[in-house]
Amino acid sequence: NAGVTQTPKFQVLKTGQSMTLQCAQDMNHNSMYWYRQDPGMGLRLIYYSASEGTTDKGEVPNGYNVSRLNKREFSLRLESAAPSQTSVYFCASSLTLAGGTYEQFFGPGTRLTVL
Amino acid sequence: DQQVKQNSPSLSVQEGRISILNCDYTNSMFDYFLWYKKYPAEGPTFLISISSIKDKNEDGRFTVFLNKSAKHLSLHIVPSQPGDSAVYFCAARGGNEKLTFGTGTRLTIIP
Repeated sequence: NAGVTQTPKFQVLKTGQSMTLQCAQDMNHNSMYWYRQDPGMGLRLIYYSASEGTTDKGEVPNGYNVSRLNKREFSLRLESAAPSQTSVYFCASSLTLAGGTYEQFFGPGTRLTVL
Repeated sequence: DQQVKQNSPSLSVQEGRISILNCDYTNSMFDYFLWYKKYPAEGPTFLISISSIKDKNEDGRFTVFLNKSAKHLSLHIVPSQPGDSAVYFCAARGGNEKLTFGTGTRLTIIP
């Protein structure tokens, strides 16, 4: 049971290049999320997906696109990278248990630098 | 407009003493609150949570208190251990199971 996995762990891009960050979870969770973490800013939601086939914008969606390929996988694409997108990106998945307990689990992160 | 605030960027506590981390929120629609711990170069790991219908939840050395009237929650760690040194984030759940995070508090446990 690997939980939430992300690839790659590190990436360096030049301004204008594109790339896709991959995320997969093996916990059979319906909801998945992409966040970015910048120094002093906490984690900010980029996009989320409440279920397979649905996606919605979060707090900072500009410059990103997402794809919920199936229940397990949720990818984040940068079409034309900009230095402002230098950040650490975290994928997460969540479920609400019977009784109302809510859990959200995070992957290890992708550290992206845009030159 | 920051809906979840952690006003102390850092906190140092002697090993064995109690660590108290604080979090304030502004949105009365938040219905669930979580605390995460984060080590460098790792993803956040879930610590403890509390529903808005409760005022206290305990799990081993960790206790979370919620004061709804003050829109304030706190995490108590007792006794504090060196392995507790990390950045702690509080998070609040709003609609569609989305979380809003605070900016984090770096806790340092002094041996």
